[in-house]
Amino acid sequence: GAGVSQSPSNKVTEKGKDVELRCDPISGHTALYWYRQSLGQGLEFLIYFQGNSAPDKSGLPSDRFSAERTGGSVSTLTIQRTQQEDSAVYLCASSRRGGSSYEQYFGPGTRLTVT
Amino acid sequence: AQSVTQLDSQVPVFEEAPVELRCNYSSSVSVYLFWYVQYPNQGLQLLLKYLSGSTLVKGINGFEAEFNKSQTSFHLRKPSVHISDTAEYFCAVSGGSNYKLTFGKGTLLTVNP
Repeated sequence: GAGVSQSPSNKVTEKGKDVELRCDPISGHTALYWYRQSLGQGLEFLIYFQGNSAPDKSGLPSDRFSAERTGGSVSTLTIQRTQQEDSAVYLCASSRRGGSSYEQYFGPGTRLTVT
Repeated sequence: AQSVTQLDSQVPVFEEAPVELRCNYSSSVSVYLFWYVQYPNQGLQLLLKYLSGSTLVKGINGFEAEFNKSQTSFHLRKPSVHISDTAEYFCAVSGGSNYKLTFGKGTLLTVNP
């Protein structure tokens, strides 16, 4: 079956612009995660959605970052007023259920470059 | 809080040689442990996971790992590597109410002919 998909695969933007990154999880998966992968910080958790529960936003690095998940499926990560330090690969993952034992399936990522 | 230490940032080996990638973790609760592989310009793919039971876990592509609770380790091994195993490998931990994965910094495995 189809895996997790993300779009765009690459995004180049100017400092100060807003960007939106999209994630389509595996059909039927109730949990969705966003992570960021950068050279300096490695892989970092950003945000977690599980069903209709309030999202866990504890990993968002600043209030310029926000995310939503519409209809329990597609998710959009928005970065406002982008800065050069936002340059990274943004990875989305989904799992069948929320919980620490469930395997997370990762998408190919969106490479964001802020110039 | 949980943390993961991958002791080697780079491991070069020759084709058909054995390899061990080391991972140590720290956690105040019972853990679940994972190894992921990332090929260039791709996302993460699960190699294997330890949830409970047998401490020796077998995964895809001939990899295996052993959970050692006393040494808080989860080292990844393969008896004979191939060129196609060249990739970055990440050890990760979750557990208890902590559903998010905490990753190590990664180990770049380079298999040379």
